[in-house]
Amino acid sequence: NAGVTQTPKFQVLKTGQSMTLQCAQDMNHEYMSWYRQDPGMGLRLIHYSVGAGITDQGEVPNGYNVSRSTTEDFPLRLLSAAPSQTSVYFCASSYSRDGEAFFGQGTRLTVV
Amino acid sequence: DAKTTQPPSMDCAEGRAANLPCNHSTISGNEYVYWYRQIHSQGPQYIIHGLKNNETNEMASLIITEDRKSSTLILPHATLRDTAVYYCIVRVGTGSGGSYIPTFGRGTSLIVHP
Repeated sequence: NAGVTQTPKFQVLKTGQSMTLQCAQDMNHEYMSWYRQDPGMGLRLIHYSVGAGITDQGEVPNGYNVSRSTTEDFPLRLLSAAPSQTSVYFCASSYSRDGEAFFGQGTRLTVV
Repeated sequence: DAKTTQPPSMDCAEGRAANLPCNHSTISGNEYVYWYRQIHSQGPQYIIHGLKNNETNEMASLIITEDRKSSTLILPHATLRDTAVYYCIVRVGTGSGGSYIPTFGRGTSLIVHP
């Protein structure tokens, strides 16, 4: 049981490049979400999903796309990377709305 | 979801109890209090949650005041490994209203010193 797996762990992008951050969970959780965390800040919600085929925006969705074609996977796409997207990205999942959230170990992204 | 207020930082001696307060004066009747912690930029880790009764598990105890406007997370015998940022979150558990996904503030940075 791997829990929530994020890949890659580290990434450097050039401004304007696109890429996909991967998130996979093997706990059959319906709820999945993406957060970003900037230095000295709490986590800010980017996008979330309450089941396969259902996604919605969080607090800071601009510049990011998501899709949820399977229960297990919830990739986050950066359309055209900008230095302001330099951050640590966390993916999380939970079985239910009131259940505990399980987090991945994070992806550290630098945009130069 | 109700807003929470936590002190930005606290410190505690190793072996002592760490008592982390959280104010949630606008909490409504169907909102739970959740606590998470984040150790050195790892992903946050769930600790405990409760509605109105005090709760205890292997990690911590949660004390919620009778009016539910505040709560305290207690780490009974803090160790150096408990140094982390602790987040108090208030949110609806089930039913209508509130967010589907927890939202995090800045939390309390707890430093446990020898």
